[in-house]
Amino acid sequence: GEDVEQSLFLSVREGDSSVINCTYTDSSSTYLYWYKQEPGAGLQLLTYIFSNMDMKQDQRLTVLLNKKDKHLSLRIADTQTGDSAIYFCAESFLNQAGTALIFGKGTTLSVSS
Amino acid sequence: GAVVSQHPSWVICKSGTSVKIECRSLDFQATTMFWYRQFPKQSLMLMATSNEGSKATYEQGVEKDKFLINHASLTLSTLTVTSAHPEDSSFYICSASAFETQYFGPGTRLLVL
Repeated sequence: GEDVEQSLFLSVREGDSSVINCTYTDSSSTYLYWYKQEPGAGLQLLTYIFSNMDMKQDQRLTVLLNKKDKHLSLRIADTQTGDSAIYFCAESFLNQAGTALIFGKGTTLSVSS
Repeated sequence: GAVVSQHPSWVICKSGTSVKIECRSLDFQATTMFWYRQFPKQSLMLMATSNEGSKATYEQGVEKDKFLINHASLTLSTLTVTSAHPEDSSFYICSASAFETQYFGPGTRLLVL
């Protein structure tokens, strides 16, 4: 079945760039997403990329998609302490009722000052 | 952006009682809503997909008689945990589908004593 894999932890210094990687299995996914979750909170949509694109930039965020290798990455430039959170990669898939999401286990980003 | 609310945000109940959680899309209409469950330090697991006016589609292993889902309007879906037990304690998050993305509520933390 569909599966999404992510590294579990990333630790960076404030001001550095962070790169969070993700691999997925369903090549028919139309969209791939990055969500951010702060402690005790719901998920905040950060950005998403359409499967026929290979890059998308949105302010400090850059998403790279290698469809051949089914690899997705999120780069955060000039990482701040407020970026500390869990980042989830997700791929879309069709179930009987509509388009749902499969999530990776999340990457905990720790930013030290 | 699209806003999704959940109510309540926290609930503590006795074993054997039922708990209803509401999910509302505040500024858009959502024909499809999703219910997820998240255990501590785990990813989100899709429980069911809810389409307005029809029966919910449950994922494998999710008991539909235990987790009752109603999606009576385009802005409201409810999840009722019937005869809750301590193992049902979890973080329940809903999402509503709009503009090819899913927008998540802030989550409801359920503790069953």
